[in-house]
Amino acid sequence: DSGVTQTPKHLITATGQRVTLRCSPRSGDLSVYWYQQSLDQGLQFLIQYYNGEERAKGNILERFSAQQFPDLHSELNLSSLELGDSALYFCASSVNTAAGNTIYFGEGSWLTVV
Amino acid sequence: QQPVQSPQAVILREGEDAVINCSSSKALYSVHWYRQKHGEAPVFLMILLKGGEQKGHEKISASFNEKKQQSSLYLTASQLSYSGTYFCGTVGRGQNFVFGPGTRLSVLP
Repeated sequence: DSGVTQTPKHLITATGQRVTLRCSPRSGDLSVYWYQQSLDQGLQFLIQYYNGEERAKGNILERFSAQQFPDLHSELNLSSLELGDSALYFCASSVNTAAGNTIYFGEGSWLTVV
Repeated sequence: QQPVQSPQAVILREGEDAVINCSSSKALYSVHWYRQKHGEAPVFLMILLKGGEQKGHEKISASFNEKKQQSSLYLTASQLSYSGTYFCGTVGRGQNFVFGPGTRLSVLP
């Protein structure tokens, strides 16, 4: 158990819908990262937050947005969903920035768009 | 900006050794190595921070050549449990953490 909690674990929704994925980082971790992993693909970095502020942005679509709240939990919002958005979405956290710190991953949220 | 990994895939017999390489076109501050089993979360293996540093535990070790912006992961006397996809993750001056495309390792009995 990494200490990073993601909900829901599985989600099935229809195209055009909107979903929210939730992440609670490890206790004391200030950085939260979101990654998308499509079937048998690599880990695509979406976005990073550090202590409530956006720190880095990767290949995140405009239909996607995220935020980190004062209690450090984070949400990833996916809207106008398309079939191609079906993927495993990982949240990860680290104490500080990634440079010298271990990044711990949650178990992921499986999103299926039908 | 994504690091390059080689090989893309490797098949070994138990007890054989393997080397997985990771290289970047950008200057690197650190390199991380993770292993992922299918459908599971990536699991941390190690971080390398300094040029020329080599770290490891048991039969898995890694080196980092900061000048060449390269890192290598060494798996010796491989076990069935080593099977999975190995990702390197790099941190450059912009502090972005980016994973490589992964190397799929299969260890056969």
